[in-house]
Amino acid sequence: AQSVSQHNHHVILSEAASLELGCNYSYGGTVNLFWYVQYPGQHLQLLLKYFSGDPLVKGIKGFEAEFIKSKFSFNLRKPSVQWSDTAEYFCAVNKRGSQGNLIFGKGTKLSVKP
Amino acid sequence: KAGVTQTPRYLIKTRGQQVTLSCSPISGHRSVSWYQQTPGQGLQFLFEYFSETQRNKGNFPGRFSGRQFSNSRSEMNVSTLELGDSALYLCASSLAQSGNSPLHFGNGTRLTVT
Repeated sequence: AQSVSQHNHHVILSEAASLELGCNYSYGGTVNLFWYVQYPGQHLQLLLKYFSGDPLVKGIKGFEAEFIKSKFSFNLRKPSVQWSDTAEYFCAVNKRGSQGNLIFGKGTKLSVKP
Repeated sequence: KAGVTQTPRYLIKTRGQQVTLSCSPISGHRSVSWYQQTPGQGLQFLFEYFSETQRNKGNFPGRFSGRQFSNSRSEMNVSTLELGDSALYLCASSLAQSGNSPLHFGNGTRLTVT
């Protein structure tokens, strides 16, 4: 069965620390990969996406992610976090041609201490 | 451009009742998907509609149903409510069913079943 695993349930960092959130997926065939973010009290927002091409993708707010096909991974990174990055982060995958059917990971809650 | 609009924001129902939730997609978006978000199960795909046709369905009982109208607006219905149906129900829209078109989420409808 298709699945997405996010390694950390809750990550606590101090401002200016570097961030890496792990995501591994189990999905046969060609996939699209996404990171979504949910700030407190707000709706899910797209951080970045990978469809094809350069495996290193850049998103909003200084986030980037690297698709490593051999490891079925799509880890999210940010060199220096800010207090405003406190949110829940979700990795998701779908099959090409089926945009609406996203398989989500359980999410990683990031708390950034000022 | 207005985002995805879901109504109502909050609902309280009693076991055994039925409920209808509404979703207006971003203007021009023709694909609408529904998700259930709970603390235990995370985000789970319910169904996807495109051009008034259900294209994909998740692993939920038949009590969960939906439809899409010619203006792309969508409704989902849950009949014979159970306590376990208490959740945040999210609607998402995208430009097309296939291709490089990510999902845009609404704020959700918080359903509480007592």
